[in-house]
Amino acid sequence: QQQVKQSPQSLIVQKGGIPIINCAYENTAFDYFPWYQQFPGKGPALLIAIRPDVSEKKEGRFTISFNKSAKQFSLHIMDSQPGDSATYFCAASIEYNFNKFYFGSGTKLNVKP
Amino acid sequence: GAVVSQHPSRVICKSGTSVKIECRSLDFQATTMFWYRQFPKQSLMLMATSNEGSKATYEQGVEKDKFLINHASLTLSTLTVTSAHPEDSSFYICSAHPGEYGYTFGSGTRLTVV
Repeated sequence: QQQVKQSPQSLIVQKGGIPIINCAYENTAFDYFPWYQQFPGKGPALLIAIRPDVSEKKEGRFTISFNKSAKQFSLHIMDSQPGDSATYFCAASIEYNFNKFYFGSGTKLNVKP
Repeated sequence: GAVVSQHPSRVICKSGTSVKIECRSLDFQATTMFWYRQFPKQSLMLMATSNEGSKATYEQGVEKDKFLINHASLTLSTLTVTSAHPEDSSFYICSAHPGEYGYTFGSGTRLTVV
């Protein structure tokens, strides 16, 4: 059973557009939700993360929206650029127990010039 | 920021040989490191948790004798793929938790078994 479900699988937007990637989870014990960006042939890099005590977090052009009651969270990329083209993974974990870290299936984003 | 260094970045080996991949935490100590495997266009799959000074914890379905993990110090964990076969070809990534929130990942190792 997949702990974190991510959609869409792929996404194409024009430069300046706002791609939105969605994730949903079931385990209410999860209390840490990061997003990772991965370029081909590289390891994932932490982009932004949120805890369930806030509904939104912004860092630069990246925003996480969090809906605790719906058990959903999403990544928004403002003013997207071709350099943002990468695969994005959401994840979830129980912070006091870093033994498990569950990844979504990934979204391949292509930002066209 | 916290850096996890992984080496080598690419390796090609012959079927039946063993390959060692190193994962180092450069500016922090990591009593625990994690090894992932990623197939093309797929997500990361946790293979095992490496514990400094004790045995690794393997996820269900991961062969302990195939993927040997050694965590000899607070900054180094190694993954040895023994008697490698073409089906072991994959992208292997390690990660560690530097004490701040979030995991730091290595840059990955592309293993190709021919």
